[in-house]
Order: sequence, then structure tokens, then C-alpha cells
Amino acid sequence: KAGVTQTPRYLIKTRGQQVTLSCSPISGHRSVSWYQQTPGQGLQFLFEYFSETQRNKGNFPGRFSGRQFSNSRSEMNVSTLELGDSALYLCASSLALAGKNIQYFGAGTRLSVL
Amino acid sequence: AQTVTQSQPEMSVQEAETVTLSCTYDTSESDYYLFWYKQPPSRQMILVIRQEAYKQQNATENRFSVNFQKAAKSFSLKISDSQLGDAAMYFCASTGANSKLTFGKGITLSVRP
Repeated sequence: KAGVTQTPRYLIKTRGQQVTLSCSPISGHRSVSWYQQTPGQGLQFLFEYFSETQRNKGNFPGRFSGRQFSNSRSEMNVSTLELGDSALYLCASSLALAGKNIQYFGAGTRLSVL
Repeated sequence: AQTVTQSQPEMSVQEAETVTLSCTYDTSESDYYLFWYKQPPSRQMILVIRQEAYKQQNATENRFSVNFQKAAKSFSLKISDSQLGDAAMYFCASTGANSKLTFGKGITLSVRP
């Protein structure tokens, strides 16, 4: 069974631009969660989607948004990029709502904002 | 709200020896789960071990085991017979009814040949 796939692996953008990251969960998994990893703040939860609905949201500004499609694939969008958005963005999938269910992570998308 | 604390930023262990990574947590939830994840240089987060808080028995997974002290809110990871491939960053994490994983800052483990 294929694992969690995140595309692209690397992105370079400039301030003010917007970016879309993609995540394909493990087949059969219906929940997708997104995390931001930076050296200073560590791993922080962005949001979780289940059955195309946002179920949980972290403490990030509205510039960060996401969605989930009927095939459970998820996209995350960041608008008006800032230098501080440079980070590794990790996606994780689980069979049902995360929490009791183990989350399996993708390899991440490394975003650099110049 | 949940908090997870990993106070040691780095540790080193000799190959074939045993090492224990510390973690403490705080939660107001009665039903919660604790995890250790490994992140090697490839950046892929890999689940090492999972503990259900309602289970008194400590989880084990081959060379990996935990010491779960519920009253003390402590959840340490013991790696036995350390191997070079164990070198990575290790994160302790917890989750409760609100579903999100709360991670500690992580600890970098190096293995000396």
C-alpha cells in the first residue's frame, strides 16, 4: 500500500505570493491533518480535514487555508507569503478522525520564502 | 489543552547500549494517547510506539519500550541495543479527544559506532 504522498517536495516562493501544497493520503484513509515544522516553533498543528470538512483548526492566521476532496486528497494554501512561513509542511493521514487513530506522515514539502 | 515537554535537546549513546529519552506531558483529558515519533534526516516522521493512557501495561515494540507513569505524567522511551540507524530526532506527542497531535520540541539522538 502506498504511503502518504506530498507534492511538491521543495518550493521556493517570494514574499507576497501564494502557494498550494498537495497531500494524497493512504488509500482508505479519510482524515488528513497538516502540520508546520520550524526550528524555532517546532511542530505545530494547522488543521484537520475529515469527509471534506474541517474538523479541527490550530492557531494560525486566515492566510492558511485548506480543503479536502471527495477522494480524501487534501490541499493546503498559504496566501500573501511572509518570510516566517518558510518551513517544512507535513501532512498526515489516518483511517478516521485523528486522536485514537494513528497518523501516518508524508515526507513533507519544504517551503522557502525569499 | 495539552502540553508536551522534552527537556533534553540532545543525547548520545554507544552502539549496542541502551538509552532512555525523557518526556513529560500535561493534559486535562481523561482519554488520551501518547506517541513517540522518529524523524531521520530524510524528514519522514515514523511512528515508533503508541500508548493508550487507559492501559496500565507499558507498550513495547521490538527494541523500543516505554515507561508510562500516569500519575507523574511521564512517558519515556527506552531504546535497547542501539543501532546506527536509530540516529534521528525523536518527538514525544500526545493527543486527546480534540484529535490534534501536540508535539514536544524533540531530542536529537546520535549513536556512536
